[in-house]
Amino acid sequence: AQSVTQPDIHITVSEGASLELRCNYSYGATPYLFWYVQSPGQGLQLLLKYFSGDTLVQGIKGFEAEFKRSQSSFNLRKPSVHWSDAAEYFCAVGATLTGGGNKLTFGTGTQLKVEL
Amino acid sequence: GAGVSQTPSNKVTEKGKYVELRCDPISGHTALYWYRQSLGQGPEFLIYFQGTGAADDSGLPNDRFFAVRPEGSVSTLKIQRTERGDSAVYLCASSTTEATGELFFGEGSRLTVL
Repeated sequence: AQSVTQPDIHITVSEGASLELRCNYSYGATPYLFWYVQSPGQGLQLLLKYFSGDTLVQGIKGFEAEFKRSQSSFNLRKPSVHWSDAAEYFCAVGATLTGGGNKLTFGTGTQLKVEL
Repeated sequence: GAGVSQTPSNKVTEKGKYVELRCDPISGHTALYWYRQSLGQGPEFLIYFQGTGAADDSGLPNDRFFAVRPEGSVSTLKIQRTERGDSAVYLCASSTTEATGELFFGEGSRLTVL
């Protein structure tokens, strides 16, 4: 069965500093990997996804993530954090469902706080 | 509307009562998902609809939980004989059937069982 581990429950960074959120996955085949962000009062929003090809993927809001098969990791990065990035971030691994669609297994999330 | 709509946004009920939560997906999305998010946890898969049929209900915790999507659009999650442990945010998402299709999530229905 697939699983996702996000080892950091809370992370605090200063505005303008770089950010890396860790994600490790367990999956028997080539994984579909996702990062979602959840802000208070808003639904989960997709930041980026990896299916195949280039292992460095670019997403919205200046985020990027790198797939490393040898480490079973898909860490999320941003060079310079903005105060508006404060939110909860979820890594997920997907399995294709019969008839289409994706069954996502989420990690427990990392709460990001940004200090001004 | 443009996004996934869920109602009610908040529901407080008493232990043992019956609850219905509604999801209106993005128009044209044939795939619909229900997830449950407990405090401090990530969303957990409950059930997946492809059109009108439940293609995968492996995440439903027990037979008190049931979901329908009779016309292939709006879906209702039904919880019978609610228990305090059912308290959570219930999330609905929709997508196209492409394997790489993005799941679009609603804001969720927060259920509190007293």
